[in-house]
Amino acid sequence: DARVTQTPRHKVTEMGQEVTMRCQPILGHNTVFWYRQTMMQGLELLAYFRNRAPLDDSGMPKDRFSAEMPDATLATLKIQPSEPRDSAVYFCASGPDRGQTQYFGPGTRLLVL
Amino acid sequence: GQQLNQSPQSMFIQEGEDVSMNCTSSSIFNTWLWYKQDPGEGPVLLIALYKAGELTSNGRLTAQFGITRKDSFLNISASIPSDVGIYFCAGHLSGYALNFGKGTSLLVTP
Repeated sequence: DARVTQTPRHKVTEMGQEVTMRCQPILGHNTVFWYRQTMMQGLELLAYFRNRAPLDDSGMPKDRFSAEMPDATLATLKIQPSEPRDSAVYFCASGPDRGQTQYFGPGTRLLVL
Repeated sequence: GQQLNQSPQSMFIQEGEDVSMNCTSSSIFNTWLWYKQDPGEGPVLLIALYKAGELTSNGRLTAQFGITRKDSFLNISASIPSDVGIYFCAGHLSGYALNFGKGTSLLVTP
């Protein structure tokens, strides 16, 4: 049963610290997406990749967020420095085609104190 | 992206009842997707619809792609406690991004 995996599942950190979230997309999927979910804003698309190339990161705060795909089996989302307003659930999703179907990971629950 | 309006925002029903929820948009889509999110988990894809007028079932779930391509409906028959969660619709027109609704929160009492 192929699934998207994310680590860590939970992260508590202090303001100013660097946070790195990792995602392993489903093998064979060539599109990878990062989302942020909050009660107020719902699901927000932060960035996405196709064949490891970043296609759009317009949803990300550029000054502190960065997303990369070092290889086809790993996507990372970094926040440096973190701020309390970054507290949210961060989801990675992958898809086999042009984004018509996306399969979500379990999320990383981030709390910045 | 296009604004998706999901309704109702929340539902509180008794086990065994049927459930209906819908999603509307001011713009057309080529694909409609329905996801369910359990507490503490990521959204899980339930049904994907690719053609206007399409009616697709997945167990007790049935979803339809509206003829106008601006709406979609999800029905759950004979609800059970494990149907509890948040149901999201998502629309896709072109490119890679999905537009998500705000979700319908479903509570089922035994």
